[in-house]
Amino acid sequence: AQKITQTQPGMFVQEKEAVTLDCTYDTSDPSYGLFWYKQPSSGEMIFLIYQGSYDQQNATEGRYSLNFQKARKSANLVISASQLGDSAMYFCAMREMNSGYSTLTFGKGTMLLVSP
Amino acid sequence: DAGVTQSPTHLIKTRGQHVTLRCSPISGHKSVSWYQQVLGQGPQFIFQYYEKEERGRGNFPDRFSARQFPNYSSELNVNALLLGDSALYLCASSLEGARTDTQYFGPGTRLTVL
Repeated sequence: AQKITQTQPGMFVQEKEAVTLDCTYDTSDPSYGLFWYKQPSSGEMIFLIYQGSYDQQNATEGRYSLNFQKARKSANLVISASQLGDSAMYFCAMREMNSGYSTLTFGKGTMLLVSP
Repeated sequence: DAGVTQSPTHLIKTRGQHVTLRCSPISGHKSVSWYQQVLGQGPQFIFQYYEKEERGRGNFPDRFSARQFPNYSSELNVNALLLGDSALYLCASSLEGARTDTQYFGPGTRLTVL
């Protein structure tokens, strides 16, 4: 079973508008972390935002915010005031512990295209 | 401060050959993880090293091996290359690879196997 599900293969948004990228996850570990990474065409995975499973408030980092709904096991990324440079692949990932070390499990990603 | 660096940027090999990919972590980071990203998919975990010891290994064949050096840099080796090994290989560094760490990725090495 997929641990991270991103149901939107592609999203389109106009410059300056807000966009929400969906992510649902599955884990039985009570302590986990959720991440969003941006991958431009160059290939580098750029860390955007992190949400811990015990964090009481939704994470925010500049124009990025994470809409964390624990009961629904969702961790959607909200980008406000989209910019042309936001066009990229976006990956949701979950950190899990395995015998004392942590690994990231990624979803398949969502391609975001921002138009002028 | 410099981020994670990887070399080479691109690599073309033929089936059956061997390849070595290199990674230097962010200064102060002691843990390095390797991921394979095939076209159209998210990255998949291959290895994690901490203080020169292998901490964990993903579901990859024994043709894949790695090591970490005293300066915390790392090498990923792949023997007997197959067409299916064509992918972007990403290295990520973190402080300790522990529960609270964030992994920071390098630009990746794009491997093409012909």
